[in-house]
Amino acid sequence: AQSVTQLDSQVPVFEEAPVELRCNYSSSVSVYLFWYVQYPNQGLQLLLKYLSGSTLVESINGFEAEFNKSQTSFHLRKPSVHISDTAEYFCAVSENNAGNMLTFGGGTRLMVKP
Amino acid sequence: DTEVTQTPKHLVMGMTNKKSLKCEQHMGHRAMYWYKQKAKKPPELMFVYSYEKLSINESVPSRFSPECPNSSLLNLHLHALQPEDSALYLCASSHPGLRWAEKLFFGSGTQLSVL
Repeated sequence: AQSVTQLDSQVPVFEEAPVELRCNYSSSVSVYLFWYVQYPNQGLQLLLKYLSGSTLVESINGFEAEFNKSQTSFHLRKPSVHISDTAEYFCAVSENNAGNMLTFGGGTRLMVKP
Repeated sequence: DTEVTQTPKHLVMGMTNKKSLKCEQHMGHRAMYWYKQKAKKPPELMFVYSYEKLSINESVPSRFSPECPNSSLLNLHLHALQPEDSALYLCASSHPGLRWAEKLFFGSGTQLSVL
């Protein structure tokens, strides 16, 4: 069975500072990996995904994540955060033979301070 | 249209009430999902419909009854709920198939309070 661990429940950071949100997964088979973002009172939006190919994936708003198979990690990074990045971030995994099963990590609350 | 629309946005109900949550999408997606999200917790999968047929039921109590009347609509019928069922209920949709999980589109959710 697959599982996802997000090591930090909250990450406070000052505006324009870099940030890393950590995600580790456990699975006995190959996986697809995702980061979703949830703004207050809204549903989840896909931020970026790793399906295959290049291990470094990027989003349109400056976030990137790197798939590290040996460390079973998919950490999310941004070199300079904005106030508007304040949100809950969820890492998720799907085993690529598991049909419609998507497992979420516990979430990390990113709090960007001025 | 790239939206998943959920109604109502907020719902307060008593434990003896019967109510329904509604979800609609017009993206041609043939997989639709119900998730339950408690405060400060990740979403938990409840049900999955593929091509209007229930394909996954994650051992959800029978007081929750899903329905998929057509490829654009998904309902969740609620009856005799408990206060611990209070949560944000999220609907999502996607293309089913080998890489179904490539992108889930989520609605904004229905915030349910059971008194």
